[in-house]
Order: sequence, then structure tokens, then C-alpha cells
Amino acid sequence: GAVVSQHPSWVICKSGTSVKIECRSLDFQATTMFWYRQFPKQSLMLMATSNEGSKATYEQGVEKDKFLINHASLTLSTLTVTSAHPEDSSFYICSLKGTVENTEAFFGQGTRLTVV
Amino acid sequence: GQNIDQPTEMTATEGAIVQINCTYQTSGFNGLFWYQQHAGEAPTFLSYNVLDGLEEKGRFSSFLSRSKGYSYLLLKELQMKDSASYLCAVLDSNYQLIWGAGTKLIIKP
Repeated sequence: GAVVSQHPSWVICKSGTSVKIECRSLDFQATTMFWYRQFPKQSLMLMATSNEGSKATYEQGVEKDKFLINHASLTLSTLTVTSAHPEDSSFYICSLKGTVENTEAFFGQGTRLTVV
Repeated sequence: GQNIDQPTEMTATEGAIVQINCTYQTSGFNGLFWYQQHAGEAPTFLSYNVLDGLEEKGRFSSFLSRSKGYSYLLLKELQMKDSASYLCAVLDSNYQLIWGAGTKLIIKP
């Protein structure tokens, strides 16, 4: 399967600062990447779909100006949490989708964000 | 709307067998996935079913009935390390993954 590298694996930041999370596809050209958020004991919640070379598509209720997504190349997508608040503390996971014929989703290792 | 149901929590004994059910109602169907997720970690892929029937992979098997909108994950010879959440997800007509809330499986000695 494809290898997805997500960095950092955990981060602690002060309220009001911004945090960037990187998601790299190491051996697969990912035209589409998904960003998920998972609060404790809850399911994965899709935040946005990132398409290479175009604007991301955000799910209802997700602030696009707060969660900036950049998918500048086929191997890299970034999520920046701007002006972070304690309620943004969560587990953020990226995944890339294979081709139509190979539909398994491959996940990054996840990033645990704690805003203090 | 789209909906995936699975039990919130199950408990089983080490060495036993457990079946985790998943029912779904989605706009279109392009396959069903089972993922395992240990606390604080990303989900890992277990199985993918797109045709009816049973897929066996070692101690884990996954079954699908498209006409009933139903799947189950069967875990045999349970080990303590199998304690985790098990997520059911369906690929809809737009090839978007619709996730269930997950079933927390607790294994007791």
C-alpha cells in the first residue's frame, strides 16, 4: 500500500498561535487528500477534501479561514490551524485516496494537537 | 441522509470469537471497509468488501450483504492486542468515505 507521512505526530501550542501539519505521499501521486479530525471517543469527521492545484472543499461547519489547506503538489498537502484555541485540540489525520480502481484510503500517522 | 450504524462497545474473552456488525444506508455503494484503530493512533486497514460474501484474512474475516446493507467483522482467537476500536466505512457513489462511529472492543483475560 501507499506510504503517507504526516508531521508532526504531536504538537503543543499556545492559544492564538498557528500550527502547520504536513501530509506527504511518499510513493504515490495523490491528486486528492482528505483531512479528518477526531475528538476523543468519537468517529473520524471529514473536515475538507484537498485537491492538487485547486481550492479545498470544506465540509459544512468547518471554517475555511481557520483551517487553511494547501495542496501545491501531488505529494504534499498541508493543514494550518490559524489562531488556535483550546477547543481546536484534537487528533488530526490526513489520508490519500487511491485511484478509482484502488479505493483503499491510506492514512498518515495522525497529529495530536494540544492548545494551551 | 447517509447513515452507518455499529455497536458502541463490545466485550469479549481472550481466545474467543467476536462478531462486530455494521449496517448502512448510503447514496450509492462502491465498497465497505473495516479499519482498526488503537487509542491515539491512526486507523489501519483491515479489509475491503465490494461483492457479497465472506473474505477471510487470517484471524479476521469480513462479510458483506449488499441487498441487506449489512456487514460484519469476525475476529477469531482473540488476543489482548485486539482491544481497539473497529471502524466501518462505506465508499459512496462519489467515492467519498462515510464513517461509522466505531465499536470499542474490550478483551478480557
